[in-house]
Amino acid sequence: QKEVEQNSGPLSVPEGAIASLNCTYSDRGSQSFFWYRQYSGKSPELIMSIYSNGDKEDGRFTAQLNKASQYVSLLIRDSQPSDSATYLCAVNEGGYQKVTFGIGTKLQVIP
Amino acid sequence: DAGVIQSPRHEVTEMGQEVTLRCKPISGHNSLFWYRQTMMRGLELLIYFNNNVPIDDSGMPEDRFSAKMPNASFSTLKIQPSEPRDSAVYFCASSLKLAGGPNEQFFGPGTRLTVL
Repeated sequence: QKEVEQNSGPLSVPEGAIASLNCTYSDRGSQSFFWYRQYSGKSPELIMSIYSNGDKEDGRFTAQLNKASQYVSLLIRDSQPSDSATYLCAVNEGGYQKVTFGIGTKLQVIP
Repeated sequence: DAGVIQSPRHEVTEMGQEVTLRCKPISGHNSLFWYRQTMMRGLELLIYFNNNVPIDDSGMPEDRFSAKMPNASFSTLKIQPSEPRDSAVYFCASSLKLAGGPNEQFFGPGTRLTVL
């Protein structure tokens, strides 16, 4: 059973701080990693994809991947109240289309 | 461009009734996924299609669930007979899967199903 583990939270951070969201996965064959944002009552929205070790930055978002430790994280700089949502980590094994989602971490940005 | 379209957005039905959920993927995408989301179990893959062919239906909970994709622009998920434990939000997602390429999935708005 391939697993993707996330702390369900809530993770509370003050406005303007850095929010750090973490995810671990069990399958060493995983090659593609995604972060989705889901507002309450809405559908998941893809915000970051990462495929190789290291950091990938997109605006205020930075995804970090460490395949040796089977760990992927998402940093949100200058957190805004509008970032308050549940963040889903998703992992895809190479060569397959099936993506396994974590339970999601609920982020609360306090004004 | 239109995203993934799902209908209905909300469905309330009584136990034992047949429920049909519909999905239109993003034009040009070749893969379609059906998910179910609940508070307890999170987002679970039910089935996915590649080029209209079902590839993996191991997530379909039982024989009461069936899915079809008669063409590249339409898919249905049917529950017959429905039970209260089927109450959840059902999402359809699509992606353009190319050999060696990424598998970024884009989600529809979902159908909130309530079975009384």
